[in-house]
Amino acid sequence: GAVVSQHPSRVICKSGTSVKIECRSLDFQATTMFWYRQFPKQSLMLMATSNEGSKATYEQGVEKDKFLINHASLTLSTLTVTSAHPEDSSFYICSARVGQQNSPLHFGNGTRLTVT
Amino acid sequence: AQSVAQPEDQVNVAEGNPLTVKCTYSVSGNPYLFWYVQYPNRGLQFLLKYITGDNLVKGSYGFEAEFNKSQTSFHLKKPSALVSDSALYFCAVRDINSGYALNFGKGTSLLVTP
Repeated sequence: GAVVSQHPSRVICKSGTSVKIECRSLDFQATTMFWYRQFPKQSLMLMATSNEGSKATYEQGVEKDKFLINHASLTLSTLTVTSAHPEDSSFYICSARVGQQNSPLHFGNGTRLTVT
Repeated sequence: AQSVAQPEDQVNVAEGNPLTVKCTYSVSGNPYLFWYVQYPNRGLQFLLKYITGDNLVKGSYGFEAEFNKSQTSFHLKKPSALVSDSALYFCAVRDINSGYALNFGKGTSLLVTP
């Protein structure tokens, strides 16, 4: 089946630094990838839709300058959390779809970000 | 907006008993509904989906879900629960307004006891 690889799985960084999270589709091409954020014991909130070769579409309330998304190829999207603060600590999960728009999303294993 | 609701934060069931995890939906147009399972510190695994056709959808690991249009529900079921089914379960609906992303319910924690 389709595999989405996300790296790193865990990262601890100091406040004010930037962190990059990679999301790769290993055995398929993904023109669109989705980035979600999950708070402890809460649901997944869509942050942005990453489109290959164009700008990402951000959901309302998500700061595009803080959460930089780059989708430079059909198999790689990156999320960079810039000038991280403790409130950015969360579980970030990427996903991609194989095939048509009624197909399920396939998810990476997530990245646990802790900002100290 | 397309949304789903999971009314239960937690469901407890004894191993071997049937389980049901509830989900209701609110959509404009035809609903595209999904169930996912999440284990601790992991991403989500796809269980099953309803697009059209038979109201009873069979999925992975022995799970099934029943689509009920009159009750706007899409409950997840399994005839005989396993301890290993203990996890967090999410119902989701496709959102055409967000590039066909999925909108998730808040999740239901399933605990299966031996």
